[in-house]
Amino acid sequence: TQLLEQSPQFLSIQEGENLTVYCNSSSVFSSLQWYRQEPGEGPVLLVTVVTGGEVKKLKRLTFQFGDARKDSSLHITAAQPGDTGLYLCGRDQFYFGTGTSLTVIP
Amino acid sequence: EPEVTQTPSHQVTQMGQEVILRCVPISNHLYFYWYRQILGQKVEFLVSFYNNEISEKSEIFDDQFSVERPDGSNFTLKIRSTKLEDSAMYFCASGGTGRPEAFFGQGTRLTVV
Repeated sequence: TQLLEQSPQFLSIQEGENLTVYCNSSSVFSSLQWYRQEPGEGPVLLVTVVTGGEVKKLKRLTFQFGDARKDSSLHITAAQPGDTGLYLCGRDQFYFGTGTSLTVIP
Repeated sequence: EPEVTQTPSHQVTQMGQEVILRCVPISNHLYFYWYRQILGQKVEFLVSFYNNEISEKSEIFDDQFSVERPDGSNFTLKIRSTKLEDSAMYFCASGGTGRPEAFFGQGTRLTVV
């Protein structure tokens, strides 16, 4: 089994704070996806990263793919309550991490 | 915006009964997937389907499971004889040619009693 480890598992922060969540694997990804999932709904794709060292920005979200393509991070600037949800990383459509459950307190 | 649609949104079935979960993928996509997510746990890959055949399947996808694309639009997951531990959210996803990501439906919550 190709494991994807996400950290932290839970994160509760105040509105306006910054945060970073991580996704790590012992093996190389050909591509990595970040999703956000809300309770009772399907994961919604945020971004795909493919190239080692790649950085992608989506409004206040910054996604980085490690140079060796074994890890990735998601940084949220000035978090808002609407950012609350489960953030999942996934690779190659077959493997998903356990997720980081983010709560942003107003 | 095109989306993956799944029906029903919630199904309750008795143990041992057969269930069919239905999905309509995004119309020009060629890759189709089923996943399950047991409450509070990670999303688990079940099976991928391309060119009218299974391309990959996980250990979870045993003989109790089957998939079918009965026409040009639907993609179904059948569980032949449900067990209590099959209770989960089941997600369908589809992906286009040349793109690595998949787009998920809203899921079917299956409850086996």
